[in-house]
Amino acid sequence: DAGVIQSPRHEVTEMGQEVTLRCKPISGHNSLFWYRQTMMRGLELLIYFNNNVPIDDSGMPEDRFSAKMPNASFSTLKIQPSEPRDSAVYFCASSGDRRSLHFGNGTRLTVT
Amino acid sequence: GENVEQHPSTLSVQEGDSAVIKCTYSDSASNYFPWYKQELGKRPQLIIDIRSNVGEKKDQRIAVTLNKTAKHFSLHITETQPEDSAVYFCAASIGGNKLVFGAGTILRVKS
Repeated sequence: DAGVIQSPRHEVTEMGQEVTLRCKPISGHNSLFWYRQTMMRGLELLIYFNNNVPIDDSGMPEDRFSAKMPNASFSTLKIQPSEPRDSAVYFCASSGDRRSLHFGNGTRLTVT
Repeated sequence: GENVEQHPSTLSVQEGDSAVIKCTYSDSASNYFPWYKQELGKRPQLIIDIRSNVGEKKDQRIAVTLNKTAKHFSLHITETQPEDSAVYFCAASIGGNKLVFGAGTILRVKS
């Protein structure tokens, strides 16, 4: 099992640009989560999907953030337009029936 | 609101000593409590979890206790080793699958 796969590992972009983060969950897992980690705010849940359906997006900071899960093996988190305060590590995680979260290696986003 | 408090924020112990990290949660409906270890520059990894139908669970040098009445749970690491140095996060389930994380504890094991 390859685990949760995220891409890219690092992303450096200029303010105002669109950023797309990608995630492939573990095969067979039916829940997918996007978290953001910063020193100031720790691990924050942005949104989660159950069976490809968004269940709770109350953590999405503002309309500049959007997430999709078109099928069971792929999800994207998009920021448009990006701002310097969006700089963080973004983790995707998936879980199955046991409920334990398996995290990807994260995408370190830097917005200059 | 949904909240998980974690203490202490930093913990320094001598190799071989025990380390204890404590968390409290606010949602009485929470029924799943995992602990994650995150090494510098890496992803959080599950080290142990407990469900609300048990009060204690142990896995080698790691144990977790749960007090549902008081709404708190703790991680105990015995015989600490330098490789235990990391950031540890507790979490509690909220409304089904959602997990809310504590702020983390930086554990440093001095050799």
